[in-house]
Amino acid sequence: SQQGEEDPQALSIQEGENATMNCSYKTSINNLQWYRQNSGRGLVHLILIRSNEREKHSGRLRVTLDTSKKSSSLLITASRAADTASYFCATDSGGGGNKLTFGTGTQLKVEL
Amino acid sequence: SQTIHQWPATLVQPVGSPLSLECTVEGTSNPNLYWYRQAAGRGLQLLFYSIGIDQISSEVPQNLSASRPQDRQFILSSKKLLLSDSGFYLCAWSVGPQQDTQYFGPGTRLTVL
Repeated sequence: SQQGEEDPQALSIQEGENATMNCSYKTSINNLQWYRQNSGRGLVHLILIRSNEREKHSGRLRVTLDTSKKSSSLLITASRAADTASYFCATDSGGGGNKLTFGTGTQLKVEL
Repeated sequence: SQTIHQWPATLVQPVGSPLSLECTVEGTSNPNLYWYRQAAGRGLQLLFYSIGIDQISSEVPQNLSASRPQDRQFILSSKKLLLSDSGFYLCAWSVGPQQDTQYFGPGTRLTVL
């Protein structure tokens, strides 16, 4: 079953603009992760935020986590055409095996 | 450095035929291993995960099975494919004290006709 729901499903912006994607989930989590997938390829891990963290940065990425609202956001600043990809949030709710439950993804298109 | 391989990259199979997809990890030992399926335009669905040889858990009842004949090898199989088995199959691994982050292979595109 899908734990996370990303919003929006699709996003089209101009190069240089910021892109914000949101993720909502249903159950308590140990951590939340964001992954990127280029068309027809495997996923690449971007950033992980733990349940006791509220904000995390990595380069042009900024992730926030609000456990009271069961939501997270991913901000990509100064977007580039190379950022065009699908972005997925994934939650680790414990239970052994470090299993992740993925959301449905946001398709980001950055136009020149 | 660690690498993960999947093959084949693409596969077209008739309904009712068997399936064997292979995943191997290099450069690490005793990884957790995972099989996911991704339908077109959708998120990933966890099919199987393994925390060690002979320790495989199934997440979704279906006509697929998984085996781990070696520490760094994970195989996804089916005796008889269904049309609904079409999709993009991804293998992933995680390792280390935290084992939080998963690292994905390039995937296998399976089309069942």
